Amino acid sequence: KQEVTQIPAALSVPEGENLVLNCSFTDSAIYNLQWFRQDPGKGLTSLLLIQSSQREQTSGRLNASLDKSSGRSTLYIAASQPGDSATYLCAVRASGGGADGLTFGKGTHLIIQP
Amino acid sequence: DAGVIQSPRHEVTEMGQEVTLRCKPISGHDYLFWYRQTMMRGLELLIYFNNNVPIDDSGMPEDRFSAKMPNASFSTLKIQPSEPRDSAVYFCASTPWASGVNEQFFGPGTRLTVL
Repeated sequence: KQEVTQIPAALSVPEGENLVLNCSFTDSAIYNLQWFRQDPGKGLTSLLLIQSSQREQTSGRLNASLDKSSGRSTLYIAASQPGDSATYLCAVRASGGGADGLTFGKGTHLIIQP
Repeated sequence: DAGVIQSPRHEVTEMGQEVTLRCKPISGHDYLFWYRQTMMRGLELLIYFNNNVPIDDSGMPEDRFSAKMPNASFSTLKIQPSEPRDSAVYFCASTPWASGVNEQFFGPGTRLTVL
């Protein structure tokens, strides 16, 4: 059974710092990996999706990498801002014949101090 | 597109009552997923549909839970009878298989409180 772990569980850094969030998964047979952002009391916003054949994806100040063989992904946030404060969730989709559901990590709760 | 639409946004009910949560997926998306989020267990997949047909319901916790998708634009998740441990946020998500990317788009969720 796939398990997804996110480290750290919580992180607080001053504004302007670059930071890295980590995600690991136990079964490397994945179809893709998605990073989401969740604000308190809100739904999930998709940030980046990396297909299993890709190594990284970039969107603005965000960069996500994937090392499928080692079961790891990182989300890099450059020049952090207070508006980046949220919970960041990593999720993987198993490889297979259909669009299976996602297996989620517990998330990293990020606070950017002004 | 309006995105995935869920209703109600908040539901407070008493133990033993029937609860029905509703979801409208993004038009053209042929996969629909129901997830549940709790503090203890995080986000968990309950059930998903392809072209209105349930594919995997192994995540449905008990027989008290049932889900239907009568057409491509509507799905329901029903809990009967509800219990306090069912209190959680329930999310619906959809994805278009034909895109080959299968990015999942989530609705805003329904926060359920069972007293």
